[in-house]
Amino acid sequence: DAGVTQSPTHLIKTRGQQVTLRCSPKSGHDTVSWYQQALGQGPQFIFQYYEEEERQRGNFPDRFSGHQFPNYSSELNVNALLLGDSALYLCASSLSPSGSYEQYFGPGTRLTVT
Amino acid sequence: GDSVTQMEGPVTLSEEAFLTINCTYTATGYPSLFWYVQYPGEGLQLLLKATKADDKGSNKGFEATYRKETTSFHLEKGSVQVSDSAVYFCALQTGANNLFFGTGTRLTVIP
Repeated sequence: DAGVTQSPTHLIKTRGQQVTLRCSPKSGHDTVSWYQQALGQGPQFIFQYYEEEERQRGNFPDRFSGHQFPNYSSELNVNALLLGDSALYLCASSLSPSGSYEQYFGPGTRLTVT
Repeated sequence: GDSVTQMEGPVTLSEEAFLTINCTYTATGYPSLFWYVQYPGEGLQLLLKATKADDKGSNKGFEATYRKETTSFHLEKGSVQVSDSAVYFCALQTGANNLFFGTGTRLTVIP
């Protein structure tokens, strides 16, 4: 049973560019959440997708957007990249948005903005 | 707002030593509490959880008790191993499915 997968593993971009990160949820899961983990910090919630809609959003600017596909996979898009966007981006999947279901995390995508 | 305050590290212990990592929280409502572990180069793994006051979560020799009166969820292990070296995150979740994390505590266990 494949767990949560993310691609790419590492990415280097230049300030002002745009980036797309991808996530495939654990088999049977229908909800995807994205987190940003800056170096030496805990993960911070970006947003959550369920039924192809953004259901919740953390304190992140509109430069961060996402999408969920009918197969439950998801993309995170970041526009106009800033140096401060350099971080590990984690995807987590769960069964429904209910708080009673465990979130399973992928290995993350390490984004470096130069 | 909801937040988690976690003992700062790094923590270095000898093998078989006793481990405590402190975690306190602030939350509206009645949160569920979690400890996640992150091994080098990997994502987060759920270590243990507790969903209501006085619950004790346990896994792989680690334990934590949900203390509502002190708003705490301290992680303990009686005898650490080298393989326990990792970063440990305390987290809470209230109602909706997003998690609030502490800043993490890096544990290094030396033989």
